[in-house]
Amino acid sequence: AQSVSQHNHHVILSEAASLELGCNYSYGGTVNLFWYVQYPGQHLQLLLKYFSGDPLVKGIKGFEAEFIKSKFSFNLRKPSVQWSDTAEYFCAVNAQAGTALIFGKGTTLSVSS
Amino acid sequence: GAVVSQHPSRVICKSGTSVKIECRSLDFQATTMFWYRQFPKQSLMLMATSNEGSKATYEQGVEKDKFLINHASLTLSTLTVTSAHPEDSSFYICSARRTGGDTEAFFGQGTRLTVV
Repeated sequence: AQSVSQHNHHVILSEAASLELGCNYSYGGTVNLFWYVQYPGQHLQLLLKYFSGDPLVKGIKGFEAEFIKSKFSFNLRKPSVQWSDTAEYFCAVNAQAGTALIFGKGTTLSVSS
Repeated sequence: GAVVSQHPSRVICKSGTSVKIECRSLDFQATTMFWYRQFPKQSLMLMATSNEGSKATYEQGVEKDKFLINHASLTLSTLTVTSAHPEDSSFYICSARRTGGDTEAFFGQGTRLTVV
């Protein structure tokens, strides 16, 4: 069965610090990979996704993620975080187009100004 | 575009009663919708996959007689929690996939259910 592991439960950063959130998945075949963000009181929003092609994916709000197939990883990065990036971040995967997503447990990011 | 609306956003009900949660795709048709449950500080756990015009597919451990799902049209799926108990209190989230679209799913804002 597929599973997604997010290593960091809670990350605390100061503004302008660099961010990297880890995500590893367990599945031997081709996968589609996603990062979602959930701001306080709001619904999940898609940050970026990877289906195929260039393993370095750029998303909204300055986020990017790199798919490393050999490491089964899809880490999320941002060079310089802002206070407004404070939110819950979820990594997710599905193995087949149109199927449900399998989510990691999420990482809470707190950015202090 | 691609807006998914859930209603209600919050509901409090008494033990033993039933609660219906609606999930609507406002500006697209969705053959498939998904229902998730999220516990505090936990991930979203898939409960069931809802397909328009057919029976829902439930994940292992999810009671289909307790969590009734109906997907009667291409823009509406409902989740009814029957004979609710306090342990059913949770955050329920739906997502919808555009008919004929790619794998991206769009999420509703969620429903906070509290059973007292």
